[in-house]
This record gives sequence, C-alpha cells and structure tokens, in this order.
Amino acid sequence: GENVEQHPSTLSVQEGDSAVIKCTYSDSASNYFPWYKQELGKRPQLIIDIRSNVGEKKDQRIAVTLNKTAKHFSLHITETQPEDSAVYFCAFKAAGNKLTFGGGTRVLVKP
Amino acid sequence: NAGVTQTPKFQVLKTGQSMTLQCAQDMNHNSMYWYRQDPGMGLRLIYYSASEGTTDKGEVPNGYNVSRLNKREFSLRLESAAPSQTSVYFCASSDHRGATEQYFGPGTRLTVT
Repeated sequence: GENVEQHPSTLSVQEGDSAVIKCTYSDSASNYFPWYKQELGKRPQLIIDIRSNVGEKKDQRIAVTLNKTAKHFSLHITETQPEDSAVYFCAFKAAGNKLTFGGGTRVLVKP
Repeated sequence: NAGVTQTPKFQVLKTGQSMTLQCAQDMNHNSMYWYRQDPGMGLRLIYYSASEGTTDKGEVPNGYNVSRLNKREFSLRLESAAPSQTSVYFCASSDHRGATEQYFGPGTRLTVT
C-alpha cells in the first residue's frame, strides 16, 4: 500500500543549529509533497510544499528538497529558534487524491 | 472567515454509545476529510469526500460512517463506540483534490471508557 517513512522520530538541536527531517515514499506517481507543523495541542498547519516539477523550494529559514529518482524529500530548518519546537509531518499525494502522512518528527530546540 | 470548525471540542463516551462529530468549512472548498491522531502518531485518514455527494474510505474506516450533508458540512458518526476509538479527530478541507493545502479544524478530543 501507499506509505511514507519519516526519520528521525525525535530531534533535539541547539538554538541556531540546523534541523533536517527526511521522508521516503512509496508511490512513484505522486506529484505533491507538503510539510505540516503541529504545535502542542494545536491543529496541523502547512509550512511549505513542493511539486514534482521542482527540486528545491525555500521560504526564509525553511527549505524542502525533492529527489524523485530516490523517492525521498527532506525538510531543512536553518538557524533554529525556540518557536520551531513542534511536531513536523511530511505527506505525499497518494492515489485517490488524498494525502498520506508520515509518523511525525518531534523537534526540540534547546536555548 | 472562521475556516474549519468542529464540534464538540471534547467528548467522553461509554463503550457502545453513539455520537456524531460535526465539521463545517466556510471557504467554499470541494474536498473534506476526517483524520484520527493517536498519541505520538501521525494522522490517519478515516474517510474523505472529494466533492459534494461523494464519500470514500480512507486508511482506517472500520467503526465509522460519514455524511457529506452539503458543500459546507461533513459529519463523522460512531455507531457503537469502542475504547480503541479514543483519539483526537481532525476534520480538514481543501480546494482541489489533495494537491493543495489542507486546512484543519481545531480537533475533537474523544475518550471512550
């Protein structure tokens, strides 16, 4: 079936360092890859997305890279700040026009 | 714009009881979704509705039913609640079929004892 593996499950970084989360997906036909951020007790919110005709996309301190050949995509957060502490979910558009989510990465930024 | 709203925010049920979770969106979106999120886990799709008048099963549909009442509203029903259905339930909507941002509601925290 369709699935996506997300690593690591937890990530602790020092404020100012970079954080990288990687996801590997199964459906080679997928063409849409969003990343969601969920703060404690809140709803998930989209922070960045990429489509299969683009290899990299950047928005201020966050960037996403996509390697369709290897079927993986990654989220990069630079100059991490305490407000970046949250759970991050990758997802991809699977068959039937729905999203399949990864298991999440809990990021803790230590001041 | 309220975005996506859900009621209730919290609910406690006894095993075997039934209830309906309500979801509404005011963004004129075509597609709506129901997810469950268990502690420390990702979001698993229960059911979705690609457009008004259609519904389809997701990854974990057993024990649930849905109704797309109109374009705005998409409800989730538990006919006979079980402790395994203790979870946080999120409703979401999107403009197109899965290829654009999904907007999530605030969630319903359900406990089944």
